[in-house]
Amino acid sequence: DAKTTQPPSMDCAEGRAANLPCNHSTISGNEYVYWYRQIHSQGPQYIIHGLKNNETNEMASLIITEDRKSSTLILPHATLRDTAVYYCIPSTSGTYKYIFGTGTRLKVLA
Amino acid sequence: NAGVTQTPKFQVLKTGQSMTLQCAQDMNHNSMYWYRQDPGMGLRLIYYSASEGTTDKGEVPNGYNVSRLNKREFSLRLESAAPSQTSVYFCASSERLAGDHNEQFFGPGTRLTVL
Repeated sequence: DAKTTQPPSMDCAEGRAANLPCNHSTISGNEYVYWYRQIHSQGPQYIIHGLKNNETNEMASLIITEDRKSSTLILPHATLRDTAVYYCIPSTSGTYKYIFGTGTRLKVLA
Repeated sequence: NAGVTQTPKFQVLKTGQSMTLQCAQDMNHNSMYWYRQDPGMGLRLIYYSASEGTTDKGEVPNGYNVSRLNKREFSLRLESAAPSQTSVYFCASSERLAGDHNEQFFGPGTRLTVL
């Protein structure tokens, strides 16, 4: 399983883009990159996932480098409600395995 | 849809007591999971059930047992609680175990303290 490295914390001004990096240099070819977030102590919430191509949905964009060794989650216009812990999780298609690291604690500032 | 529900929300046990955490989902999902989260840590998988009638160990199964009662319900049992099991327990479900996308839906958690 790929190991991930994320900064422990980040701040972002409200209304600005939040760019959350994740290093997953040992990711294998069949591992997707999933992003989840956990607001306060609620259950984690799915944000987005991708394999090779960049992805966008109504919540965020995911940029994956060509060598797939790192990715960046982009929240285009952060709001106070985006304050949460964000987890980057490589996961092999067809398995149950999610290895949650300690994530990045994002604080959106008014 | 209620999604994934867990009971109880809070529980305090004494060392050696037993209890069962209940989880139910109304999304007709095949797969269900139990995680624990210790303070300042990420979630760790205890057990999972790929489909009704099957269960498998995750990363930290010791001290726990599970039952997949039916497609909707997946319970976690602590036979003899220990202080090291003080944690927040999350149940989750997903549409299917295999395949391209395995988005997991999480419940609100059960906060367990073992004295």
